[in-house]
Amino acid sequence: EIVLTQSPGTLSLSPGERATLSCRASQSVSNTYLAWYQQKPGQAPRLLIYGASSRATGIPDRFSGSGSGTDFTLTISRLEPEDFAVYYCQQYGSSPLITFGPGTKVDIK
Amino acid sequence: QVQLVESGGGVVQPGRSLRLSCAASGSTFSSYGIHWVRQAPGKGLEWVAVISHDGSNEYYVESVKGRFTISRDTSKTTLYLQMHSLRAEDTAVYYCAKDGEYGDDGNWRGMDVWGQGTTVTVSS
Repeated sequence: EIVLTQSPGTLSLSPGERATLSCRASQSVSNTYLAWYQQKPGQAPRLLIYGASSRATGIPDRFSGSGSGTDFTLTISRLEPEDFAVYYCQQYGSSPLITFGPGTKVDIK
Repeated sequence: QVQLVESGGGVVQPGRSLRLSCAASGSTFSSYGIHWVRQAPGKGLEWVAVISHDGSNEYYVESVKGRFTISRDTSKTTLYLQMHSLRAEDTAVYYCAKDGEYGDDGNWRGMDVWGQGTTVTVSS
């Protein structure tokens, strides 16, 4: 079973700052099957990144994904007020078929 | 653009059953797989089950195997989750999410459309 670990648990930053979120897998994950989601309170998750580095439709270019193997990163180049939320990484393809990381909360400093 | 609307949640006693529905609109229903994902109060996301575009394949997380069944009705463009032997730990918001399938670049496109969720509370 592939376990995803995200760090930090909480990231306290100010608008305009750069956010770097980490997702580490217990075994190698194919880039093809690594995605990132954003979730705001009371809302459903929203797909941000698929294929480790491809932005989903309508996602601003301040969001970028990178990494390979067991280490992946979501970067928000300059935080906007609407970016304060919880971010989850996700892998597809290993039993269980899909797993999510525990999430990183980005809150306002 | 696909839209998904869940229904069927509620309060149910432990050991009882409940059926969730997810009504889809806006695209060819039989062209994509659909997932159920749940979120316990104050917790993270947990994938529950997926059914393929044609209903021929189903996969489940271990904790619900033998208790939950995912199905789809193409004529009604609706996804279902039949839940039996419910436990307190099944308490969660349940989301249905469309599988984005694969793009020309070969990448799996994640879960690209989500419903708003329906709440299931298992309590005596």
